[in-house]
Amino acid sequence: EAQVTQNPRYLITVTGKKLTVTCSQNMNHEYMSWYRQDPGLGLRQIYYSMNVEVTDKGDVPEGYKVSRKEKRNFPLILESPSPNQTSLYFCASGTDPNYGYTFGSGTRLTVV
Amino acid sequence: GENVEQHPSTLSVQEGDSAVIKCTYSDSASNYFPWYKQELGKGPQLIIDIRSNVGEKKDQRIAVTLNKTAKHFSLHITETQPEDSAVYFCAASWTAGNKLTFGGGTRVLVKP
Repeated sequence: EAQVTQNPRYLITVTGKKLTVTCSQNMNHEYMSWYRQDPGLGLRQIYYSMNVEVTDKGDVPEGYKVSRKEKRNFPLILESPSPNQTSLYFCASGTDPNYGYTFGSGTRLTVV
Repeated sequence: GENVEQHPSTLSVQEGDSAVIKCTYSDSASNYFPWYKQELGKGPQLIIDIRSNVGEKKDQRIAVTLNKTAKHFSLHITETQPEDSAVYFCAASWTAGNKLTFGGGTRVLVKP
C-alpha cells in the first residue's frame, strides 16, 4: 500500500529534550515536506526536500532541523523543543511540489 | 510570498444541501489549486485539483471553479452527506515554486 508513515503518533516531552519525528514513504517520491498544523493557521511549511541531500527552509523553520540521507526518509529534528512547538505535525511526499501530495497520519507533539 | 485566505472557517449544512467554500490567493503566478479533506485523526487527503488553464472541474458531487482574474477559487459540494463532515483546506502553488501554501481550513458539519 502506498503510504507515508510517521512515528510516533503522539509524543509528550519536556522543554529542551531533543527529539526526532520519523517520516518514511514507499512511493519513490523525490519531494518531501514537513508541515505543522495549528488552529486557524492551516498548514504551514517547516522544511522541504527536492531530493536526497537537498533540503531548504519553508515558512516556519526556526527551531527545527531535517536531513535527507535516503530518498524514502525525511526525519524532523527538534534539538531543544519549546512549548511554542506544541502542534500537530504532518509529513508529505509527492513526485513534484506542484502536484498532489500524500500526507502521513500526523504526529501530535506536546512540549511542557 | 503567496497568501491564501479561506472562508468560512466553519460551515454547517443540512444533509442534502450544497456547501461552498471560497479561497482567495495573492500571487498571480500561482497556477495549481488543490483541495484537501481532513477527517478526524487523519492526514489531509487530496480530493480534487485544478490548474490555471481550466475554469471548472467536476468529480461526482464535488466541483471546483477558478477565476484567475479575481484570484479566487471555490469548492462546491452538492447533495451533502454525513461523511462529507471534515475539515477542508484549499492551497495554491506555482510552477517554479517549491511548496503548496494552504488556507486556514473550513470545518464542515453535515447535519442529518
